Amino acid sequence: GPKVLQIPSHQIIDMGQMVTLNCDPVSNHLYFYWYKQILGQQMEFLVNFYNGKVMEKSKLFKDQFSVERPDGSYFTLKIQPTALEDSAVYFCASSFRDRNTEVFFGKGTRLTVV
Amino acid sequence: QQKVQQSPESLIVPEGGMASLNCTSSDRNVDYFWWYRQHSGKSPKMLMSIFSNGEKEEGRFTVHLNKASLHTSLHIRDSQPSDSALYLCAASGNNYAQGLTFGLGTRVSVFP
Repeated sequence: GPKVLQIPSHQIIDMGQMVTLNCDPVSNHLYFYWYKQILGQQMEFLVNFYNGKVMEKSKLFKDQFSVERPDGSYFTLKIQPTALEDSAVYFCASSFRDRNTEVFFGKGTRLTVV
Repeated sequence: QQKVQQSPESLIVPEGGMASLNCTSSDRNVDYFWWYRQHSGKSPKMLMSIFSNGEKEEGRFTVHLNKASLHTSLHIRDSQPSDSALYLCAASGNNYAQGLTFGLGTRVSVFP
């Protein structure tokens, strides 16, 4: 079936440094998402991206976060600077439409900020 | 308060038994419910979705929806050890630009 690929699977970074998480969405999908899951807690929406723009973001999407997808490349989540509370698994997802449609998820990137 | 609440938190089922999972939304704008299954270390994968009142069956899986109470349930019959996973309920609606709102999940363990 359709796959969302995420690179890397794990990342350990020093607090205050910048990190970029990479995602290769399903090829014909138009809507891209990042979700955050802290161990033992629910998966929470961060941001929705379409046509080069952020469509909606949650209060978890701090000013230190940014997303982009330059033409033909990865959909990225950048955190600059990182904080200890950013440690979590970040899931990238994509869908063909923005509402009431199946959303496909990647395997996640486990980010540890030390 | 969670917008999507799931119960129970965990469930132990004998192989061949029935697993029943519950999910309720507190948001009246919800149109669709989704059930995802996530094996440890893997991505969540969609099992079933439902938006109409009633029941939908696919193989060993049956999902029910009561739109008036915004309650959905997932039933797994003839449970197999490979069904052991985290089951996530998610909701979406026409005013949801954010894709899906998830519950905390129910962890199902099927023992031989």
